[in-house]
Amino acid sequence: AQSVTQPDIHITVSEGASLELRCNYSYGATPYLFWYVQSPGQGLQLLLKYFSGDTLVQGIKGFEAEFKRSQSSFNLRKPSVHWSDAAEYFCAVFYGGSQGNLIFGKGTKLSVKP
Amino acid sequence: NAGVTQTPKFQVLKTGQSMTLQCAQDMNHEYMSWYRQDPGMGLRLIHYSVGAGITDQGEVPNGYNVSRSTTEDFPLRLLSAAPSQTSVYFCASRRQGGNTEAFFGQGTRLTVV
Repeated sequence: AQSVTQPDIHITVSEGASLELRCNYSYGATPYLFWYVQSPGQGLQLLLKYFSGDTLVQGIKGFEAEFKRSQSSFNLRKPSVHWSDAAEYFCAVFYGGSQGNLIFGKGTKLSVKP
Repeated sequence: NAGVTQTPKFQVLKTGQSMTLQCAQDMNHEYMSWYRQDPGMGLRLIHYSVGAGITDQGEVPNGYNVSRSTTEDFPLRLLSAAPSQTSVYFCASRRQGGNTEAFFGQGTRLTVV
């Protein structure tokens, strides 16, 4: 079955430290990949997306992600975390087809220590 | 530019009551969907629609009904609320095609007592 795995449920990093959130997808074909962020009590906001081409994509708020086909991964990174980055992060995948639905990972909650 | 609008933002229901969660989008998107979000479970698809007059079930459809009479609106009906339906509900819309993102509403926090 098609699925998305975010192995880390909760990550805590110090402000100013680097961040990497992991995402793996299950299907063999190259999917369309997304990272969303959800601040407490808010809806989901798109951080970045990958469809094709350059495997390193830049997003908003200083985030980037790298698509690695050999590892079926699309990890999210940020060189220096800010306290305002504390939120929940969701990786999502669209495998194509007529349904048009994204499949979401279970999310990674990020806490930032001062 | 409203995007996806959900109402209400908060709702408390008694077990057995029915209600409708409203969702409207002004982007002329073909795809609309409803998700529920529960702690540790991520977002799970309830129902979705690929266009006006066409709906289908997602991963967790039991206890919910949908209809899509117009492109803009996609209401979610709870037929007889149960405590297990306590959750945060998100509506999303998306343009047809793979290289498009989903836009989300702000969510409806529903508590069933």
